[in-house]
Amino acid sequence: TQLLEQSPQFLSIQEGENLTVYCNSSSVFSSLQWYRQEPGEGPVLLVTVVTGGEVKKLKRLTFQFGDARKDSSLHITAAQPGDTGLYLCAPYSYYGGSQGNLIFGKGTKLSVKP
Amino acid sequence: DTGVSQDPRHKITKRGQNVTFRCDPISEHNRLYWYRQTLGQGPEFLTYFQNEAQLEKSRLLSDRFSAERPKGSFSTLEIQRTEQGDSAMYLCASSREESYGYTFGSGTRLTVV
Repeated sequence: TQLLEQSPQFLSIQEGENLTVYCNSSSVFSSLQWYRQEPGEGPVLLVTVVTGGEVKKLKRLTFQFGDARKDSSLHITAAQPGDTGLYLCAPYSYYGGSQGNLIFGKGTKLSVKP
Repeated sequence: DTGVSQDPRHKITKRGQNVTFRCDPISEHNRLYWYRQTLGQGPEFLTYFQNEAQLEKSRLLSDRFSAERPKGSFSTLEIQRTEQGDSAMYLCASSREESYGYTFGSGTRLTVV
């Protein structure tokens, strides 16, 4: 069973601050996705990263896939209250894990206060 | 494209009753997934279909749970003899292939009393 850890579990910041959340595992991933989930709704896909070392930007969000494809980070610049939600990393693993489905971490619950 | 639809949004049932949830995926998506999410946790994989074939089932899916996708379109998830531990959000998602992003529905919130 692969272990997937997201940190921090909870993060409460003021509007305008920067933050970084992390997703780590001992397993190598073929690709990894980040989702954001609001209360009472399903997760919404933000980005897919595939290549080790890859960096993708989505407005104020910057996603990075580790060189060894075992970890990823999400950096938010100048956070806004609309960024509030549960951020989930979800890798695909074809190196001993189950195939054909995403494995989700517990997520980082972000609260951005105005 | 109306997204992934799940019905009902909320279900309250008494322990021991059977419940059935429905998921209508995006029409051109051939893969359909069921996940379960409890408070403070990320979604946990239950099962998935490629077209009408159920290709994988998690060990979380006890023999009280059954899922079908008879014509490769909509899917149903049935829980028999519900237990309080079955209380959770049941999420359905669909995708074109495994490497594409999933589109999730809004989920069915099940409460077993």
